[in-house]
Amino acid sequence: DAKTTQPNSMESNEEEPVHLPCNHSTISGTDYIHWYRQLPSQGPEYVIHGLTSNVNNRMASLAIAEDRKSSTLILHRATLRDAAVYYCIRTDSGNTPLVFGKGTRLSVIA
Amino acid sequence: ETGVTQSPTHLIKTRGQQVTLRCSSQSGHNTVSWYQQALGQGPQFIFQYYREEENGRGNFPPRFSGLQFPNYSSELNVNALELDDSALYLCASTRGAGLYNEQFFGPGTRLTVL
Repeated sequence: DAKTTQPNSMESNEEEPVHLPCNHSTISGTDYIHWYRQLPSQGPEYVIHGLTSNVNNRMASLAIAEDRKSSTLILHRATLRDAAVYYCIRTDSGNTPLVFGKGTRLSVIA
Repeated sequence: ETGVTQSPTHLIKTRGQQVTLRCSSQSGHNTVSWYQQALGQGPQFIFQYYREEENGRGNFPPRFSGLQFPNYSSELNVNALELDDSALYLCASTRGAGLYNEQFFGPGTRLTVL
């Protein structure tokens, strides 16, 4: 059970911002939210993770709702290389592994 | 810094055979996890090794087994192959066994069982 809900697919124009939503309504106080992406013919790669506060790194931003029941991965300017499947993953406190759902397939149009 | 490597890239086996897949973890990483990814699905956790000991297992039968070596490289062994074992097998390495450490994935081994 992935414990997160994401749209199956989204589409974006190149050089425009992309907001990828994720619902995790049963999240508990110590659960982290992780985002990984998988480019075609590659293994997944880490994008970003957070607990409560919004997070920024060189790849993306993560906006976490105040009630933590949802979050949004923001790609500030989509490029063709950002076309991938994006996975939103919730990790429990304790020693549990990454549980992937089907993710959101992002298509970027030139 | 050398990334995660896996071998072989592709493999074809027949039902009932046994297979060994190999993974070299990223330099400085002592934890390796294995995942199975069926076509169109997200990766599913098989097991994790930390300092040569199994440190967690997903919902996979005992015919899926593993090893981790002193240099932290790892093997995934699958016995009595079934058609449904056809998938992309991914390994991921990280530093330490904590959840919050970024996992680095290899490119995977594509296994086809005929």
